[in-house]
Amino acid sequence: AQSVTQLGSHVSVSEGALVLLRCNYSSSVPPYLFWYVQYPNQGLQLLLKYTSAATLVKGINGFEAEFKKSETSFHLTKPSAHMSDAAEYFCAVSERGNTGKLIFGQGTTLQVKP
Amino acid sequence: EAQVTQNPRYLITVTGKKLTVTCSQNMNHEYMSWYRQDPGLGLRQIYYSMNVEVTDKGDVPEGYKVSRKEKRNFPLILESPSPNQTSLYFCASSRVLNGRRYFGPGTRLTVT
Repeated sequence: AQSVTQLGSHVSVSEGALVLLRCNYSSSVPPYLFWYVQYPNQGLQLLLKYTSAATLVKGINGFEAEFKKSETSFHLTKPSAHMSDAAEYFCAVSERGNTGKLIFGQGTTLQVKP
Repeated sequence: EAQVTQNPRYLITVTGKKLTVTCSQNMNHEYMSWYRQDPGLGLRQIYYSMNVEVTDKGDVPEGYKVSRKEKRNFPLILESPSPNQTSLYFCASSRVLNGRRYFGPGTRLTVT
């Protein structure tokens, strides 16, 4: 069965520092890959989505993610963290096929220190 | 404004008292789903629906029911809630099967 692993349940960075949130999936066939962000007391919002076009995907708020098939990874990065980036981030995988099932990782809470 | 709405946002209830959480979307999406979010477990799919009158179980369907009589609505029903169903629930919709999910604001349910 498909699974998603996010390495690190909490990540802390200083304002202005690089943000790197890790995501690995298990699939022999490249799936659809997503990153969602959840701000406190809100629902999830889509940051970006990979659908087999370019391997480097640019999203909103300066985030981007690179699909690496050989490493089955889809890590999320942002060159310079802002205080407003503090939130919980979820990596998710949707299997190609006709179920539309979306499988989420456990989530990573990003803390940004001034 | 395109949105998914859920009601109620907060609910405290007692074991065994039937409840319904409503979900509605105004984007004419065919695909809708319910998730529960628990600390350390991420979001887990409860049920999903690919269209009106078409529903199927997700990963954690036990203790839940759904119905899809209209395209815009996808209520979640707990016939006999138990404390282990205390959780944060999200409804989501998407235009296509593997497309972007639009999430509702969440319903925080506490069962005592």
